[in-house]
Amino acid sequence: AQSVAQPEDQVNVAEGNPLTVKCTYSVSGNPYLFWYVQYPNRGLQFLLKYITGDNLVKGSYGFEAEFNKSQTSFHLKKPSALVSDSALYFCAVRDYGNNRLAFGKGNQVVVIP
Amino acid sequence: NAGVTQTPKFQVLKTGQSMTLQCAQDMNHEYMSWYRQDPGMGLRLIHYSVGAGITDQGEVPNGYNVSRSTTEDFPLRLLSAAPSQTSVYFCASSYSGAYNEQFFGPGTRLTVL
Repeated sequence: AQSVAQPEDQVNVAEGNPLTVKCTYSVSGNPYLFWYVQYPNRGLQFLLKYITGDNLVKGSYGFEAEFNKSQTSFHLKKPSALVSDSALYFCAVRDYGNNRLAFGKGNQVVVIP
Repeated sequence: NAGVTQTPKFQVLKTGQSMTLQCAQDMNHEYMSWYRQDPGMGLRLIHYSVGAGITDQGEVPNGYNVSRSTTEDFPLRLLSAAPSQTSVYFCASSYSGAYNEQFFGPGTRLTVL
């Protein structure tokens, strides 16, 4: 069964510093990996995804993520965090031919002014 | 495009009552799904559909029914509400294919007393 682990409940970072949100995954085949962001009292918004090809994926709002097959990781990064990046971030995985998307439990990101 | 719409936004039920959460999308997406979001547990898949007339169970289907008579609509029915079903419910849709990102509705906050 596919699964996602987001090991940290909360990530605190100072505004202007690099932001990293960690994600590791487990699938039986090749993974399709996704990051979503949720602002308070809102639905989830798609940030970026990895399907195949270049291990570094660029997405919305200056975010990027690096796929590492040997470490089964897909960490989300942003070079310089903004206060407006404070939100709940979810990593999700699906493998080929699977109709189910598995989410991690989410990471609360707090960017301190 | 309205995207994915959900009604109602808020609902309070008494134990044993039944109700239907509505979900509609205007993007001609084949795939639709229902999730529940609980603190510290991420999103868990309740039911999903890969097209009109086709539905399947997700991770936590007990106590919920779905049907998909049209491409646009995917209602979720609570048969006999229980306090354990207090949660925030999200509907999502996407084009078919495991590599496609899902679009989420704004959510329904349900409280069962």
